[in-house]
Amino acid sequence: KAGVTQTPRYLIKTRGQQVTLSCSPISGHRSVSWYQQTPGQGLQFLFEYFSETQRNKGNFPGRFSGRQFSNSRSEMNVSTLELGDSALYLCASSLGGRGSAFFGQGTRLTVV
Amino acid sequence: DQQVKQNSPSLSVQEGRISILNCDYTNSMFDYFLWYKKYPAEGPTFLISISSIKDKNEDGRFTVFLNKSAKHLSLHIVPSQPGDSAVYFCAASPKITQGGSEKLVFGKGTKLTVNP
Repeated sequence: KAGVTQTPRYLIKTRGQQVTLSCSPISGHRSVSWYQQTPGQGLQFLFEYFSETQRNKGNFPGRFSGRQFSNSRSEMNVSTLELGDSALYLCASSLGGRGSAFFGQGTRLTVV
Repeated sequence: DQQVKQNSPSLSVQEGRISILNCDYTNSMFDYFLWYKKYPAEGPTFLISISSIKDKNEDGRFTVFLNKSAKHLSLHIVPSQPGDSAVYFCAASPKITQGGSEKLVFGKGTKLTVNP
């Protein structure tokens, strides 16, 4: 069974640009969550999607957005990139509801 | 305001001995707790979890203990092996809201080094 796949693995962007990251969940998983990992803040919850609807959102500015498609694949978008957005962005999928989430390998975003 | 705290950034133990990783939380709404293990350049991997209705859960070499009154949990690894060297994250989940959304709140991690 394939795991959670995130693309691309690495990305370098310039301040002010926007970026789109992609996540393909484990087959059958309908819930997809996104997390940001930085050395200073650890892993922080961005948002969660289930059946194409955002069910939960963390404390991030509106520059961070996401969506989920009918096949459960999800994308997150960051507009007007800032240096502080440099981080590892992790996607996790689960069957929905209570349970352990399975994480992808992440996308390492560097903003210069 | 950090709701889940792992106060030890690092821990070093000898192979074969016990590793004890600690985690404290402040939010009484948390009712489900998990431990994840993370190697560099990889995503976190689920290790073990515990519901707030229990005080202990075991899975092979890994045991998680929950002390609700102290809002404290710990992960015991016995015996520790060099392959256990990784960063360990404690995570907590609040009571499921209407709609069934689950949001994990993570600690900042403890880097475990198991020396041969």
